[in-house]
This record gives sequence, C-alpha cells and structure tokens, in this order.
Amino acid sequence: DQQVKQNSPSLSVQEGRISILNCDYTNSMFDYFLWYKKYPAEGPTFLISISSIKDKNEDGRFTVFLNKSAKHLSLHIVPSQPGDSAVYFCAARSGGSQGNLIFGKGTKLSVKP
Amino acid sequence: KAGVTQTPRYLIKTRGQQVTLSCSPISGHRSVSWYQQTPGQGLQFLFEYFSETQRNKGNFPGRFSGRQFSNSRSEMNVSTLELGDSALYLCASSGRQGYVNTEAFFGQGTRLTVV
Repeated sequence: DQQVKQNSPSLSVQEGRISILNCDYTNSMFDYFLWYKKYPAEGPTFLISISSIKDKNEDGRFTVFLNKSAKHLSLHIVPSQPGDSAVYFCAARSGGSQGNLIFGKGTKLSVKP
Repeated sequence: KAGVTQTPRYLIKTRGQQVTLSCSPISGHRSVSWYQQTPGQGLQFLFEYFSETQRNKGNFPGRFSGRQFSNSRSEMNVSTLELGDSALYLCASSGRQGYVNTEAFFGQGTRLTVV
C-alpha cells in the first residue's frame, strides 16, 4: 500500500506562471515532509521541508503547504522557470530519523519558455 | 565540504552474480540510507545504518544486505542478481546540527544493469 502518493505523473506549465505539485499521504504518524528535485543522471536534491506542526513554509520561489486534516501537501513554485524542469518527489518520515523516508513516485515538471 | 560519493557510477552484471556498491557519506554524518529507484516504483527505501548498526529496513528480500564501517562508509550487497534488480541505487547521508537532524543528502547513484 502506497503511503505517499503523487497522483500526477507529469505537469506542464508556462514560464512565469505558478506550478503546483500535489502529494497525499495516508499515515497519520508522519511528522515531517520534504520535497526533492531530481535531474536525470543525478541524485535527488533537497528543496524544502515542513514539520507537521506548521501549515506553511516558504523559501524564495518555493512554498510548501500542509493540510493535516486532508493529509495533503502541495509545493508551489512561483514564478516557474525553465530550469525548474525536473522530477519532483514528495517524501515523508515518522520519528526522529531522516534516514527512513517514504517517497512518492514523483511528478515530472516541464516549464516551457 | 564534499558531498555523498557513490562508486561505481555504472555497473553491468549478469543474472546470478553478486554485486557490492559503496557509499561515502558527508564528513560528520553518521546515518547512511540506501534507496532503489526504478521507473515504475519510484524511490524505495532499502535500509538505514547508524553507527554501524542497521536502524531501519525496507521491504526487500534477504538478497539485499548492507553494512556500515566505523568511518561511516557503507556498502550494499545484492546476491543472486535478477533482471528486476536493474535500477539506480541511491545512497543518502544525514547528520545532526545541534539537536536537529539534517535532511538527507543524496549521492549521484550507481546505475546497475543486470543482463
């Protein structure tokens, strides 16, 4: 059973517009959520995270929103840039260890100039 | 500060063989985790090592094993390789900044092809 779901395998957005990537989870014990970005032939790169005690975290063009009651989080990128084109993974963990992350299957974002 | 280093980058093996992959974490990081990435399944957690002890384990068969050395370097071993083991194997390290665990930092991965 998939505990972290990214239901959109791909998303295409025009440069300058907002990109919204969604993620749902089923395990109510998750207490920390992360987004990673991955280019082909490279390892995932940490982007932004949010603790379950918050509902929003912002870092430059990236904002993550957490809706605990809906078990849903989203990543907003605004404005989107062509360099943002990559696969984005949502991940979650429970407990204190960062070493056991449960990942979604990823959403491939394409930002068109 | 050097990042997470995985060797080799690419590997081709035949069915039935065994393989060992290596990971050197970021200096000072004591937690090393391994993940398997395949096109259909995304990133799946294999296991985590901390201070030479396996701390967490994913849902993989016993053919997949690992270990961690006193310098925090880790190795992952897959025995009796199957075609379905072809994947990108990623290693991640994490440490602590004060009382807080850092996020997991990933290496570039080892691309294993089983023929």
